[in-house]
Amino acid sequence: DGGITQSPKYLFRKEGQNVTLSCEQNLNHDAMYWYRQDPGQGLRLIYYSQIVNDFQKGDIAEGYSVSREKKESFPLTVTSAQKNPTAFYLCASRPKASSSDTQYFGPGTRLTVL
Amino acid sequence: GQQVMQIPQYQHVQEGEDFTTYCNSSTTLSNIQWYKQRPGGHPVFLIQLVKSGEVKKQKRLTFQFGEAKKNSSLHITATQTTDVGTYFCAGPGGGATNKLIFGTGTLLAVQP
Repeated sequence: DGGITQSPKYLFRKEGQNVTLSCEQNLNHDAMYWYRQDPGQGLRLIYYSQIVNDFQKGDIAEGYSVSREKKESFPLTVTSAQKNPTAFYLCASRPKASSSDTQYFGPGTRLTVL
Repeated sequence: GQQVMQIPQYQHVQEGEDFTTYCNSSTTLSNIQWYKQRPGGHPVFLIQLVKSGEVKKQKRLTFQFGEAKKNSSLHITATQTTDVGTYFCAGPGGGATNKLIFGTGTLLAVQP
């Protein structure tokens, strides 16, 4: 939302292939997050990063990997080890990992694994 | 671990009817945020409540934070078709990370 971009909007991959989802923000936010949303479900946290070169596992990190080499970028790789990768992936950022900071979401990427 | 539950999971109303969703946390929250996700879209921030018993209004939307700071509600008066979507509450997870813990969400359908 406003300054967070995710590409592509729709992504199709064959089973067994790794795929990397892009997330870029120009808001100068320190903290960035990746969520997974399945149809009719809530948001589940995959990974998050509070600062460059540091990240932590969320609730469902298995089968995923991330990097945070630059402040504005937080790519997510969905590996072949992820058993059910088809989902809507949302990236978000916050000014800082402060309890009162609003979270801003990107438009999301819908990944379909065939 | 900390959990944030919302009820109902789904609500279908006729346009013009009122709607309320309730959010309950297993722990005391320093603040609570509300987000709206339109069908096919991404969550968008609506409001944040900080004080015990706080009530805030945005046009037809009324947000309330419980006295014990463990629950919250969102009430929509005279729903319109533009209100359709999923409403999420979210609270800080606590500790050094302060990651947001999102509620399970309430999907609102409005029939014209």
